[in-house]
This record gives sequence, structure tokens and C-alpha cells, in this order.
Amino acid sequence: DAGVTQSPTHLIKTRGQQVTLRCSPISGHKSVSWYQQVLGQGPQFIFQYYEKEERGRGNFPDRFSARQFPNYSSELNVNALLLGDSALYLCASTLALGAVGQGGDQPQHFGDGTRLSIL
Amino acid sequence: DQQVKQNSPSLSVQEGRISILNCDYTNSMFDYFLWYKKYPAEGPTFLISISSIKDKNEDGRFTVFLNKSAKHLSLHIVPSQPGDSAVYFCALLPSGNTPLVFGKGTRLSVIA
Repeated sequence: DAGVTQSPTHLIKTRGQQVTLRCSPISGHKSVSWYQQVLGQGPQFIFQYYEKEERGRGNFPDRFSARQFPNYSSELNVNALLLGDSALYLCASTLALGAVGQGGDQPQHFGDGTRLSIL
Repeated sequence: DQQVKQNSPSLSVQEGRISILNCDYTNSMFDYFLWYKKYPAEGPTFLISISSIKDKNEDGRFTVFLNKSAKHLSLHIVPSQPGDSAVYFCALLPSGNTPLVFGKGTRLSVIA
């Protein structure tokens, strides 16, 4: 079975540009979360979507937006890129809402991420 | 203020010995505690978890211990293998099933 897939793998942009990152969850998974990981830090939560609705938002500016499609895939958009947006952007999926499921045995599964570099 | 702290950025262990990775937290309102492993150019991979109502969970070579009074979580790997060399993140799930809160990670190097 395919895991969480993200595209593109790498991306180079300049300040002020806009970027769209894409994520396909594991088949059957209805919840998608986005995380930002900067060098030397752990992943930081950006958004969670479930059944096409936003269910959670982290402490990120309005330049960050996302959406989930009927097939449960998701896009993360970042406008007016800043140098500080350079990071690994991770997508994670789970069967249902939440990060671990009822018994703690349905953890989030992560994709390999998109490495975004801002020049 | 950081809720989850992994105070050791790196750890080096000989093959066959025990690796102990530590994680401290400041807030008591966490339901689940997880460990993820991350290789370069790959996403984090789930390793093992423990509920807040337990103090130990074992899965093969991996054991997670939870000390709620000390607000301390640890991962033991026995015996350590070179393939265990990776960055390990502890991730905590607050009550209410809100998003995971990650530590900064510890880079484990297992030397043959």
C-alpha cells in the first residue's frame, strides 16, 4: 500500500513568491495535517483537515492557508514567501480526526516532506 | 515556552549496548506520548507510544517508560543496532486530541 505522498520533493523560490505544496494521504485516511520543520527543531503544527473542513490551526500567519479535496488529498499554500519560511514541510494522515486514534494505536503517518528553500 | 524538551541534541552508543533517549515536559495535560524516528530525506516514522495511564510499554527492542510525577518520558533501545542511527523525536498529544507537540529531537549514532 502506498504511504503518504508529497510533491514536489524540493522547491526553490524567491522572497515574495507564492508556493503550493501537495499531499495525498494513505488510502482510507480522512484526516490530513501539515507541519513545518525548520533545521534543528521538531515539526510544528500548521493545519489539520478532516472531511474537507479545517479542524485545527497552529500559530502561523494568514499567509499560510490550506484546503482538502473530496478525495482527501490536500494542498498547503504559502503567500508572500519570507526567508524564514525555508523549511521541510511535512504532511501526515490518520484514519479519523485526531493524532493517535482511540487506543493510541493509530498514529499519524508522515510523508517524506517537501524541502522548500527561499532565496 | 517550550512544553516538550529533549535536552540531549545527540547521543553516541556502541552496537549491542543500550540507548536511552529522554524527554521532559512541563504540562500535565497530555493523553498519549509517542516516539518517532527520522532518517535523512525521509519523514518521521512512528515507533512506539504509551498512554498516560500506563508507565511502561514494550515492543521488541523498544521500551518506553513514563514517569508522570517527574514529567519524564524515556525510550530504551536494547540492543542498539547501526540501523537505529537516526533522529528521535518525542511527541505528546494534549488532552482533547489536539495536534501533536514535538520535541527538538535527539540524534542517535550507533557505532559498530
